[in-house]
Amino acid sequence: GENVEQHPSTLSVQEGDSAVIKCTYSDSASNYFPWYKQELGKGPQLIIDIRSNVGEKKDQRIAVTLNKTAKHFSLHITETQPEDSAVYFCAASILFYQGGKLIFGQGTELSVKP
Amino acid sequence: EAEVAQSPRYKITEKSQAVAFWCDPISGHATLYWYRQILGQGPELLVQFQDESVVDDSQLPKDRFSAERLKGVDSTLKIQPAELGDSAMYLCASSYSGEQFFGPGTRLTVL
Repeated sequence: GENVEQHPSTLSVQEGDSAVIKCTYSDSASNYFPWYKQELGKGPQLIIDIRSNVGEKKDQRIAVTLNKTAKHFSLHITETQPEDSAVYFCAASILFYQGGKLIFGQGTELSVKP
Repeated sequence: EAEVAQSPRYKITEKSQAVAFWCDPISGHATLYWYRQILGQGPELLVQFQDESVVDDSQLPKDRFSAERLKGVDSTLKIQPAELGDSAMYLCASSYSGEQFFGPGTRLTVL
């Protein structure tokens, strides 16, 4: 079945630096790749997503890139702030009109030091 | 802003007891998902509904877990009997066109 590998498991950066989290997926039929931010005791919050017909997407300080050939995608956060500290999850899905189950990576705990 | 509602937020029970979780999706979202998240891991799908029909329950332990969405709106997930290994966060999500929005979850502790 589909498998998603996420690296690194922990990431510590100084405020203002950039952070990059990388994921690889196994099922070449996957066509939808969301990223979630999860704060302690809360549910995952969708922060950005990308579909397989697009190579890059940007929303203010957050960007996601997708390499379908290599089957990997990455999250880039620029100008990090302490409030960016959380656990980030990547996910992959085969999206039909009915939706599709998300296969999540193992998570990256991001710590932004003031 | 519309949100997915879940209750209770926390549940402590003893093993062999029955527990139930409730989810109210974002209005108009036909697809509803239940995920289980063990501490330190990513969520894993238990069951997916399209309206009132089950689309995928391949990972649902059917000997003890059941889920229903009778009128195609809110949903209930039940565990009977609960086991120690069921301690986890139970997350509900809903979607309209692909993007899944999660609720705050129910933290279950089985003693």
